[in-house]
Parts: sequence; C-alpha cells; structure tokens
Amino acid sequence: DAGVIQSPRHEVTEMGQEVTLRCKPISGHNSLFWYRQTMMRGLELLIYFNNNVPIDDSGMPEDRFSAKMPNASFSTLKIQPSEPRDSAVYFCASSLLAGHTDTQYFGPGTRLTVL
Amino acid sequence: GQQLNQSPQSMFIQEGEDVSMNCTSSSIFNTWLWYKQDPGEGPVLLIALYKAGELTSNGRLTAQFGITRKDSFLNISASIPSDVGIYFCAGPPNAGGTSYGKLTFGQGTILTVHP
Repeated sequence: DAGVIQSPRHEVTEMGQEVTLRCKPISGHNSLFWYRQTMMRGLELLIYFNNNVPIDDSGMPEDRFSAKMPNASFSTLKIQPSEPRDSAVYFCASSLLAGHTDTQYFGPGTRLTVL
Repeated sequence: GQQLNQSPQSMFIQEGEDVSMNCTSSSIFNTWLWYKQDPGEGPVLLIALYKAGELTSNGRLTAQFGITRKDSFLNISASIPSDVGIYFCAGPPNAGGTSYGKLTFGQGTILTVHP
C-alpha cells in the first residue's frame, strides 16, 4: 500500500519566491495534517483538515502561509512570499478516524531551504 | 493547551545497552502513541496504547500506559545502531472531546547508539 506521498522531497528557492508543497494522503483517510519541523521549535502543527474542511489553522505562522484541500486525495501548502526563516522540513500526515484510532501516518517530508 | 514532556531530551548509549524514556502530562490522555523518526524521514508509529496500565511489546520495544493516564514509558532492550533516531510520544488532546485526529506531540528524545 502506498503511504502518504509528498512532493517535492527537496526544495531550494530564493527569498520572495512562491513555494508550493504537495501531499497525497493515504486513500480512505479523512483527516490531513501539515506540520513543520525545525531544530529550535521541534514538530509544530500548522493546520489540519477533516473531510477536506479546514478545522484549525491557528498554527499557521503568518498570512504568507495558506493551505488547501480541494479533494480527498490532494492538499497543498503554499508560502508566498518565502523567507529564510521558513527553512524547515514540512510534513504531511493523514489519519482515519474510526473508533478510538487516532494514529497519524506521516509522509517523508519536504526539506525547504530559502536562501 | 495540553503539553507532553519527554525525558531525557537526549541519550548517548553503547550498543547492547537497554534504554528507558518517558513522557508525562499534567492532563489525562486516553491514548498514548510512540513514534520513531529516522534521520531524513517522517515519524513512524511504533506502539499504540489504549488502556490505563496496558503493557505492549513490539520486538525489543516495550511501552506502558501509566495507571494515572498522565504518563507513558518506552523501553528498548539490547540497543543496536539502527535504533538511532528521535522518539516522540503523542496523544489526542481534549480527552472525551472531538479532536478530529489531532495529536499533541512531545518534544522528542534523541537517541544515539555507539557501536
């Protein structure tokens, strides 16, 4: 079975450019989460969706960040304009809410470097 | 909000040694999850615990759900070099409420194993 798929795996861009990160959750999962990981702040939840609807975006650091989930099999996280302090590893995770199962399955991450 | 505190923050051990780490919270959790993150990859679920007092093993790993429901422990026996990575505890916040699969993560324990 395919796990969570993220693209690209690595992205290097210059300050001010638009960056779009992509995620395909596990088929059948109904919740999707975007995280950012840095050495200083660890794993931070940015936003999460349930049944394609954004539930909580309070973790999104600034208006420069936006996320969409147009359908059950695709989500994007966009940064516009990007800044050097956005450099981090961005993870997408998905889960299937069934009973008391809350397990999230993570993708391999996108390592973003903003010069 | 609910926070999870992991200790120790990092460990440097010799191959073959046993490892113990724990996770505590000021609030009750109904589920405890332990994840491992290999270098350059996303976190992967190791063990899930759903009942207070539950003791669950996965190979050389053993985890326990504390009786008070405010803590959990992870033990690794006879460590090997591939045990290197970051270990996270996690659990759904808002015990008894709806979290849409959201998880609270600890800050992680970094494990280094010397051959």
